Amino acid sequence: AQSVTQLGSHVSVSEGALVLLRCNYSSSVPPYLFWYVQYPNQGLQLLLKYTSAATLVKGINGFEAEFKKSETSFHLTKPSAHMSDAAEYFCAVRDTGGFKTIFGAGTRLFVKA
Amino acid sequence: DTEVTQTPKHLVMGMTNKKSLKCEQHMGHRAMYWYKQKAKKPPELMFVYSYEKLSINESVPSRFSPECPNSSLLNLHLHALQPEDSALYLCASSQGRGGSYSNQPQHFGDGTRLSIL
Repeated sequence: AQSVTQLGSHVSVSEGALVLLRCNYSSSVPPYLFWYVQYPNQGLQLLLKYTSAATLVKGINGFEAEFKKSETSFHLTKPSAHMSDAAEYFCAVRDTGGFKTIFGAGTRLFVKA
Repeated sequence: DTEVTQTPKHLVMGMTNKKSLKCEQHMGHRAMYWYKQKAKKPPELMFVYSYEKLSINESVPSRFSPECPNSSLLNLHLHALQPEDSALYLCASSQGRGGSYSNQPQHFGDGTRLSIL
């Protein structure tokens, strides 16, 4: 069965610092991986997706993620954090051949002024 | 603004009430989903409709009754809910069915925050 693990339920960075949110996946077949962001009182918004076309995926708001098969990882990064990046971030894997999306537990990003 | 519209945004109801949550999308997506999200937790899948047919029911209690009247609308009928059903209910849509469409992301609405008294 496919699954994702997000390391760290909370991450705190200073404004302007590098953002690194970790995600490891478990899948017996090439996975479809996604990062979503959820701001307070809102739904989930797609940041980026990996679908095997390229290992480095660029998303919205300056975020990007690199798919590393050897490490079974899909970590999310942003070179310089903004206050507006404070939110909950979910890594997710799509069930191949089906409809289910398996979400990680989420990582809350705090950005300090 | 999201492309998936959910109404109402907030709902407070008693345990004996009957109410409905509504979801609408006009992106031509043929898969629609209901999720339940508790505070500080990821969304939990409840139901999936594909081409207006119920494809997945994740063993949801019968007090939740989904309905997909057409390709753009998805309803969730609520009856005799329990306090533990208080949560954010999210609707989502995506292109097509599973298989080759598994690489397509889901588009989420902003949810209905439901409180059961």
